[in-house]
Amino acid sequence: NAGVMQNPRHLVRRRGQEARLRCSPMKGHSHVYWYRQLPEEGLKFMVYLQKENIIDESGMPKERFSAEFPKEGPSILRIQQVVRGDSAAYFCASSPTGGTGEQFFGPGTRLTVL
Amino acid sequence: AQRVTQPEKLLSVFKGAPVELKCNYSYSGSPELFWYVQYSRQRLQLLLRHISRESIKGFTADLNKGETSFHLKKPFAQEEDSAMYYCALRSNYQLIWGAGTKLIIKP
Repeated sequence: NAGVMQNPRHLVRRRGQEARLRCSPMKGHSHVYWYRQLPEEGLKFMVYLQKENIIDESGMPKERFSAEFPKEGPSILRIQQVVRGDSAAYFCASSPTGGTGEQFFGPGTRLTVL
Repeated sequence: AQRVTQPEKLLSVFKGAPVELKCNYSYSGSPELFWYVQYSRQRLQLLLRHISRESIKGFTADLNKGETSFHLKKPFAQEEDSAMYYCALRSNYQLIWGAGTKLIIKP
């Protein structure tokens, strides 16, 4: 089992461009979580998805950010019209069950907005 | 408000010395707490959780509800313990994280 995969590992965008971050959960896991880590801070929850459903997006900014986890393929975190404040590390985690299941983390995507 | 506080950004101790990484929490319910570790160039991984009451790599952590703490301890530090350590609290399916403590073990 290759573990949670995230790509790209590093992404550079100019202000106003779009950023797409991908997360492939571990085999057999149907629950995906996205977290953001700003410099010098802990991770902050953004969104929790199951296949084809957003369960909780309470941590995600209302504008410019969206997430999906289609029936086939990876989960995508999309940031439109990026701003410098979006520069951060974005981590994806997956679990076989929701709620009390252990979350396994990917290596993260480091987004830099110029 | 639900919060996890790790008061030390950096902790440096000599090899063989005891280690204690502090974690305090604020939660209006029965907490479920974790310690995660991130070694250099590796991904975050679960070190231990309070409900399992286990010792991993010589580390232990006891939940103290009176002091709302979940400090991570090891009696004799080893150089390979150098890493970032994060304390986290589960609230439904979210994990609420402390800012992390960088542990450096000096030879």
